[in-house]
Amino acid sequence: SYVLTQPPSVSVAPGQTARITCGGNNIGSKSVHWYQQKPGQAPVLFVYDDNDRPSGIPERFSGSNSGNTATLTISRVEAGDEADYYCQVWDSNSDHVVFGGGTKLTVL
Amino acid sequence: EVHLVESGGGLVKPGEPLRLSCAASGFTFSRYTMNWVRQAPGKGLEWVSSITSSSSSKFYSDSVKGRFTISRDNAKNSLYLQMNSLRVEDTAVYYCARVSGEFRDYWGQGTLVTVSS
Repeated sequence: SYVLTQPPSVSVAPGQTARITCGGNNIGSKSVHWYQQKPGQAPVLFVYDDNDRPSGIPERFSGSNSGNTATLTISRVEAGDEADYYCQVWDSNSDHVVFGGGTKLTVL
Repeated sequence: EVHLVESGGGLVKPGEPLRLSCAASGFTFSRYTMNWVRQAPGKGLEWVSSITSSSSSKFYSDSVKGRFTISRDNAKNSLYLQMNSLRVEDTAVYYCARVSGEFRDYWGQGTLVTVSS
């Protein structure tokens, strides 16, 4: 089955840029979606189809996807961005939805 | 405004069944694939099952296949998950989510299922 690998944690100072990676075999051939989840809350879609944002999501959040790595980039990080972030793809070979293990973003 | 409200969670013993429901509003329910995603305490998101708009296709994760059954009633704008032969490792918050393309654009607040003797 298809596997997505994320770093367990990423730390960044306020105002800096955070990059959260999502690794998978030839993930560049798939569409990658990113969700933000804060403690005690449901996940929220933040980026879809590699680099599109739902309405209401700040432009500071962007995505890229190439080769074996997709990346969620958060520019000018704010304290309120502290959360868990999950990547997700659809594996057409198995008809399964696949989530990465999640990355905890800490704002120092 | 899209709303998804799960219900039916609770404490059950291993081997017992439980049925979850998800009430949808604010959109044309019958046009969307829906799914269930769960999250064990302190763990990440795990896709459980998906059902297409007309119920013509249903998909399950390997961990629940043969034990869980997804269904929907478009007339009642409702999604269901029948969970049989529950195991301790099925303990989780279960979310229902609307599917748009290949992503989940709206999620409910979840319902907690605890399987313990």
